Amino acid sequence: GENVEQHPSTLSVQEGDSAVIKCTYSDSASNYFPWYKQELGKRPQLIIDIRSNVGEKKDQRIAVTLNKTAKHFSLHITETQPEDSAVYFCAGAPRAGNMLTFGGGTRLMVKP
Amino acid sequence: DVKVTQSSRYLVKRTGEKVFLECVQDMDHENMFWYRQDPGLGLRLIYFSYDVKMKEKGDIPEGYSVSREKKERFSLILESASTNQTSMYLCASSLWGASGTWLESANEKLFFGSGTQLSVL
Repeated sequence: GENVEQHPSTLSVQEGDSAVIKCTYSDSASNYFPWYKQELGKRPQLIIDIRSNVGEKKDQRIAVTLNKTAKHFSLHITETQPEDSAVYFCAGAPRAGNMLTFGGGTRLMVKP
Repeated sequence: DVKVTQSSRYLVKRTGEKVFLECVQDMDHENMFWYRQDPGLGLRLIYFSYDVKMKEKGDIPEGYSVSREKKERFSLILESASTNQTSMYLCASSLWGASGTWLESANEKLFFGSGTQLSVL
């Protein structure tokens, strides 16, 4: 089945700096890659997603890039703010008939 | 706004007990899921259902069963709780037919509940 690895497991940045979280996947047939944000004590929520026919997608301060050849995708957060502090999960959709496989999560801490 | 409600926020049970975790969604979603969340392991799929009385095993179904008698309700059952089932359990739902095939719609935009932190002593 699909295997999604996420790095780093923890990331600390200064407010205003950029943050990058990287994920690799194993199944070359995977075609959908969402990112979920989970604030402390709250439920995960979808923040951005990308399909395999697109190389990059942006939504204000967040962007996701996908490299199908290398089988990795990344979340980029610019001008980080304290409210960006959370655990971020990447995921990949494997072959048809299977479901999302999530990475292990990255705890992002933005220091004021 | 979609609401996915889990019956308990915290639950403490003893080894060997039968445990029921309940989840209700109010947006008429066809697909429902149960995940467990453990530090460093992310979210792992236990079971999912794409219709009433239908269920499919996820990645870690051992020791669990599910029930979906009504469209809005999806129950996770631990037949005989063990200490290694101590975890955060998250329910989620999604809409069938948001786009294209069932697989695409099932994967798109999961709405999660707030989770149940289960401790098995």
